[in-house]
Amino acid sequence: DTGVSQNPRHKITKRGQNVTFRCDPISEHNRLYWYRQTLGQGPEFLTYFQNEAQLEKSRLLSDRFSAERPKGSFSTLEIQRTEQGDSAMYLCASSLEVTGAEAFFGQGTRLTVV
Amino acid sequence: DAKTTQPNSMESNEEEPVHLPCNHSTISGTDYIHWYRQLPSQGPEYVIHGLTSNVNNRMASLAIAEDRKSSTLILHRATLRDAAVYYCILRDYLYSGGGADGLTFGKGTHLIIQP
Repeated sequence: DTGVSQNPRHKITKRGQNVTFRCDPISEHNRLYWYRQTLGQGPEFLTYFQNEAQLEKSRLLSDRFSAERPKGSFSTLEIQRTEQGDSAMYLCASSLEVTGAEAFFGQGTRLTVV
Repeated sequence: DAKTTQPNSMESNEEEPVHLPCNHSTISGTDYIHWYRQLPSQGPEYVIHGLTSNVNNRMASLAIAEDRKSSTLILHRATLRDAAVYYCILRDYLYSGGGADGLTFGKGTHLIIQP
């Protein structure tokens, strides 16, 4: 296993377009997290899955954002009607279901909305 | 969530030890202290975590104050590859049984290593 994989690594889109990102977690990890990071800030938690169930969503996750994890494996994060303020690095992480488990992060997808 | 306070930046010389402080005066009895670091253009990576006792692993040591209101991440011999942003995070292990929260990152400490 090569770790958490995210695709694409970079995405440039025009304002108003929809974009979708994919995250492939470490295979035996049943927890998956999405974060957003803007320049000079730490990552901000967006949402969390345990297997296929989306258990928690941050207030940052507006109704233009939707995340899925069908079959509890890979996950997708879709942003509809993108805005310039959505420009950020989108990070995915996965972990085991163990108290204090280490989270493994992907390299992220950098989104630029022009 | 309990908050942490870290210096914005620190500088150190290569091959010298580095002590990165973190204050968490409002820590609760069920909060683990986690450290992650983020190298340039990378996602964060786990460094170490602890609850009460000092911890050592191949990357670093974590020294936790007796009252748990502060902790120090120790890099024993810094290299240029240790230049990164280091995040000190409190994580309530009671959440880990379900409905778990994500890690709450602050701005971290930007560690600069001089050759």
